[in-house]
Amino acid sequence: KAGVTQTPRYLIKTRGQQVTLSCSPISGHRSVSWYQQTPGQGLQFLFEYFSETQRNKGNFPGRFSGRQFSNSRSEMNVSTLELGDSALYLCASSSTTGPDTQYFGPGTRLTVL
Amino acid sequence: SQQGEEDPQALSIQEGENATMNCSYKTSINNLQWYRQNSGRGLVHLILIRSNEREKHSGRLRVTLDTSKKSSSLLITASRAADTASYFCATDALGETSGSRLTFGEGTQLTVNP
Repeated sequence: KAGVTQTPRYLIKTRGQQVTLSCSPISGHRSVSWYQQTPGQGLQFLFEYFSETQRNKGNFPGRFSGRQFSNSRSEMNVSTLELGDSALYLCASSSTTGPDTQYFGPGTRLTVL
Repeated sequence: SQQGEEDPQALSIQEGENATMNCSYKTSINNLQWYRQNSGRGLVHLILIRSNEREKHSGRLRVTLDTSKKSSSLLITASRAADTASYFCATDALGETSGSRLTFGEGTQLTVNP
């Protein structure tokens, strides 16, 4: 099976812009989670989607949003970008929601100038 | 916030030696997972140990879990230069009403010198 794919792999934006990142889970996986990784804060949970419903949300401002489509693909959107949003954004998929192995994609490196 | 703390933060060893990394966490958990990350790339899943398990093996990896001490250790035997990476523990807390959310430790940077 193909692994988790994320597009784009690299992105450069300027403050105030918005950005959309995409994640395609492993075939058959219905749960998609998003994480942000920064040198200062480490790996932090953003949100989880299962069957097009947000099941869990981390402590991030409302500028961070996401959605999941009927084919389980997921997008996350960040509006009004700030310098501090520069990070590696990782997507993970799992066959079920709840405690189970999560498989991560290669990430999208976002740089905000 | 980071639930886990990993110890040591950095470890440098010679090829062929064993590497041991420790992880502590704060809340009761469903399971604990270990991941490897090479140079800021994606996370590679190594092993999952459930809260009712005490030890698990996978190839050169051995993981132990002590829920009474809220700690876990990852042992890599006969290390290779290719094992050079950052290693993270991640916990899935018990009692989440729905869904899954992993809480990661700060990671251990392992360097294996040829």
